[in-house]
This record gives sequence, structure tokens and C-alpha cells, in this order.
Amino acid sequence: AQSVAQPEDQVNVAEGNPLTVKCTYSVSGNPYLFWYVQYPNRGLQFLLKYITGDNLVKGSYGFEAEFNKSQTSFHLKKPSALVSDSALYFCAVRDWGGGNKLTFGTGTQLKVEL
Amino acid sequence: DADVTQTPRNRITKTGKRIMLECSQTKGHDRMYWYRQDPGLGLRLIYYSFDVKDINKGEISDGYSVSRQAQAKFSLSLESAIPNQTALYFCATSDLKGGFGGELFFGEGSRLTVL
Repeated sequence: AQSVAQPEDQVNVAEGNPLTVKCTYSVSGNPYLFWYVQYPNRGLQFLLKYITGDNLVKGSYGFEAEFNKSQTSFHLKKPSALVSDSALYFCAVRDWGGGNKLTFGTGTQLKVEL
Repeated sequence: DADVTQTPRNRITKTGKRIMLECSQTKGHDRMYWYRQDPGLGLRLIYYSFDVKDINKGEISDGYSVSRQAQAKFSLSLESAIPNQTALYFCATSDLKGGFGGELFFGEGSRLTVL
């Protein structure tokens, strides 16, 4: 079975500082990994994905994520955080157990303060 | 207009009532999904459909049913609502052409409260 773990319920960072939101995964088969963001009272929006190729993946709004196979991690990063980045972030992995489904982590609340 | 539209956006109901949440999409995608979001639990898959004749249970389908009335419409029903079905429900779509790497496109969510 596939699973992802987001070990931090909340991450606090000052505006202008780099941010990291952690994700580790467990999968049988090739790891197809995704990050989504949810702003208050909104649906989830796709940020980026890793399918194959370069371990550093760039996505929307200046976010990037680093795939590390040996550590089974896919951490989300941004060099300089903005207050507007404050949101709930979800890591997800493709479920190879049948059907084209995603298994989501429990989410990490990012709070960027002035 | 939103590509994935959910109605109602908010609903308060009583235990034992039948509730239907509706989802329609203009993206032309074949695949549609219903997820449930609970604080601290993330999103969990209730049902998914890869076309009008293909309906599949997800990890938490008990107490729910679905109907794929057309390629663009996918409804979720709670036949007899109970308080632990209080949650935020999301409909999502994905494109068959995206293959296994295709991303999901989400609606704005339907907040259901069962008293």
C-alpha cells in the first residue's frame, strides 16, 4: 500500500526566510509524487509533481521540491517565503493498488509572519 | 466560472436525512473523484469513476453512494446522514490523457454538518 507522511502539523517561518515543508513516502512501484496547496475556503490547487527525471522539480508560485530516493522524501521548498504563502499544504503519492488514484498526507499548515 | 462546480457549498442537516452533493465539470475529463477532508486526517477517497459505466469504491465508501449521470456530472449521496459524516467534501477530476502522472483538479468543496 502507498502512504505519505507529513511529520509537521504546522510550520512557522518569517517572511523572506527560506521554507521547507517535509514529506516522506512509502510506495511499491515507481513513486509519482505531488504537492497541492489549499487556501482558506478553497479547493486544493496543484503545485508540482515528480514523475521521473531531475530530482529537483520546479512548480507554481516559486515553489520547488527535491526528490530523494534514498531517504524516500519529497520536501517542498521555497527560497524566500511570502505572507501570501500561508496555507495548508498536502503531499500525495500515486496509488498503484488499482485505479489512477492519489493517497494524500495529513497536511501541514504553513504560517508566514512579518 | 469554475471548471469544477460543487453544490451546495454549505449544508446543515439532521441525523437520518438523505443528502445529495452534486459535482459538475466543464473540463471534459473522464475521471471524477469524491474525497472527504477531516482535520488531521487529510483527504480520503470515497468513490471514483473513470467513465459513466465505471464506478469504484475508495477507502471509506461505507454510508455513501454515487451516481455518474453523465461524463460531466458525479453526485455523492448520504442515504441516512450521521454526525460523523460531518466534513468537507471535495469533488475532483483528472484527464485520461494525463496518464498516471496527471494531476487532479478540485472543486471549491461542500461543507456538510450533520446534527
